Amino acid sequence: NAGVTQTPKFRVLKTGQSMTLLCAQDMNHEYMYWYRQDPGMGLRLIHYSVGEGTTAKGEVPDGYNVSRLKKQNFLLGLESAAPSQTSVYFCASSQPGTGKQPQHFGDGTRLSIL
Amino acid sequence: LAKTTQPISMDSYEGQEVNITCSHNNIATNDYITWYQQFPSQGPRFIIQGYKTKVTNEVASLFIPADRKSSTLSLPRVSLSDTAVYYCLVGDIRSYSGGGADGLTFGKGTHLIIQP
Repeated sequence: NAGVTQTPKFRVLKTGQSMTLLCAQDMNHEYMYWYRQDPGMGLRLIHYSVGEGTTAKGEVPDGYNVSRLKKQNFLLGLESAAPSQTSVYFCASSQPGTGKQPQHFGDGTRLSIL
Repeated sequence: LAKTTQPISMDSYEGQEVNITCSHNNIATNDYITWYQQFPSQGPRFIIQGYKTKVTNEVASLFIPADRKSSTLSLPRVSLSDTAVYYCLVGDIRSYSGGGADGLTFGKGTHLIIQP
């Protein structure tokens, strides 16, 4: 049972390059989330989705775009990477009722922007 | 916005009971309180969740006073493997129609270090 899988696990980009982070879940969860975690900080919500075809902004959405074309996948895009986007990115999923249903997390994507 | 406040770090020894308190003065009526554990190079993992009074599962207990403005995670007889960062999360996505992700901020968490 894979749970939440993030691809890739590590990536190094140059400033201005673009890339897409993939998150896949096999639990048939309706809700999916993208967080970033910086050293000494907690997780900050970038974008989230409450169902296929829907997305919404979280706390720190600038510089990122997302898509949820299929229920099981949630993509996070960086159109023009900046050094400030160097971080560890976590994807999570849950059943509806975020406050009542626990989130299940992937093991993260470590992204460095040079 | 239901922000949370936790101690930055705590130390304890193997076999001891550890209590980590989280303050959430602005908790909303419908908010649940959820605790997560995170090891280095891993994503957070759900530990326990509650709404009021006391909840116990196989790994922890959660104590919530009547006013729900704080909560205490209790880890009985800790071991070295309990060394991790613990996050208290209070909040919810209200509704997609402009409700926003109110309170889905994990904060900095509590770095618990267990010594032999």
